[in-house]
Amino acid sequence: GAVVSQHPSWVICKSGTSVKIECRSLDFQATTMFWYRQFPKQSLMLMATSNEGSKATYEQGVEKDKFLINHASLTLSTLTVTSAHPEDSSFYICSARPGNNEQFFGPGTRLTVL
Amino acid sequence: GIQVEQSPPDLILQEGANSTLRCNFSDSVNNLQWFHQNPWGQLINLFYIPSGTKQNGRLSATTVATERYSLLYISSSQTTDSGVYFCAVGNTGKLIFGQGTTLQVKP
Repeated sequence: GAVVSQHPSWVICKSGTSVKIECRSLDFQATTMFWYRQFPKQSLMLMATSNEGSKATYEQGVEKDKFLINHASLTLSTLTVTSAHPEDSSFYICSARPGNNEQFFGPGTRLTVL
Repeated sequence: GIQVEQSPPDLILQEGANSTLRCNFSDSVNNLQWFHQNPWGQLINLFYIPSGTKQNGRLSATTVATERYSLLYISSSQTTDSGVYFCAVGNTGKLIFGQGTTLQVKP
């Protein structure tokens, strides 16, 4: 149990375009999901907390207008990177909690912006 | 915010050896998780252990919450244990990750 999926696994886009990443909880409902970013050889950094039916909460330094988060159902959260630039190239990972505090992570999405 | 420090940053072992990874944190927590990140980036949940001791096969973990540290033990290491091990902690629902320990197990 506690399976989280992400789509796509990897994406390459041109600078200036927008990219949407989906995060789904497959066997449980999640009122809260989390989005992280990981640069090469670094740790995971929390970007935002996605709340079903309400606005996301962003960590300090994360531009909410650039990283749009929508959590429209109890099993789906989306992250849209708007007007992507090469510096946005990274590994984006989502997580969700089935009940208690334990978080389960998706397989990640590798974004490359040319 | 909570500070998380993992040690050692890098570890090289011969297959069959045992190892201990440490995670220190700066505040009381109600969530502590250990993960193994595989070469494709997937985080594998090893333990959810805000306190106490747990064992799963060759792996075990102990968290001493009052002293703000956790230990991950790997016994009889195998080459497939190679990768990055992360400790992550939290007390507000969020998780703060340490910098990780990169483990290389040589045959």
